[in-house]
Amino acid sequence: KQEVTQIPAALSVPEGENLVLNCSFTDSAIYNLQWFRQDPGKGLTSLLLIQSSQREQTSGRLNASLDKSSGRSTLYIAASQPGDSATYLCAVGQAGTALIFGKGTTLSVSS
Amino acid sequence: NAGVTQTPKFRVLKTGQSMTLLCAQDMNHEYMYWYRQDPGMGLRLIHYSVGEGTTAKGEVPDGYNVSRLKKQNFLLGLESAAPSQTSVYFCASSTWGGMGNEQFFGPGTRLTVL
Repeated sequence: KQEVTQIPAALSVPEGENLVLNCSFTDSAIYNLQWFRQDPGKGLTSLLLIQSSQREQTSGRLNASLDKSSGRSTLYIAASQPGDSATYLCAVGQAGTALIFGKGTTLSVSS
Repeated sequence: NAGVTQTPKFRVLKTGQSMTLLCAQDMNHEYMYWYRQDPGMGLRLIHYSVGEGTTAKGEVPDGYNVSRLKKQNFLLGLESAAPSQTSVYFCASSTWGGMGNEQFFGPGTRLTVL
């Protein structure tokens, strides 16, 4: 059974710092990996989708990498801002239809 | 283009009451999903549908029923609500379930069962 783990569970950084969020998964037979952002009391916003054949995806200050063989993905946030404060979730897509989610990393960026 | 919408946004029920949560999408997506999100548990799949008229069980289906009578709508029903069903419920949709399974989420419904 696929298990998705995100470390750390919480992270606090000062504004301007570059940071990395980690996601690991136990079964490398995935179709894709998706990173989401969730603000308190809100829904999920898709940030980046990496297909299994891809190594990375970039959107603005965000860069997500995927190493399927080792079961790891990272989300790199450059020059963090207070507006980046949120919970970041990673989820893997496998055969069938459901995404399997990690429990998230709650990021706090102080000004 | 509203994307995925959910009604209601909030609801308080008493134990034993019933209710239906409505999810609607205007992206012509084939696949739709219902998840619940609980503290410390992450998001878990309740039921899903691969097309109009079809439904299937997910990881935590007990106590819930679903229907997909129209392609754009996916209903989640609680026949006899229990306090353990207090949660935030999210609906999502995608164009298909395999490669390229990018899912789009609604804003959620916060349900409290007393």
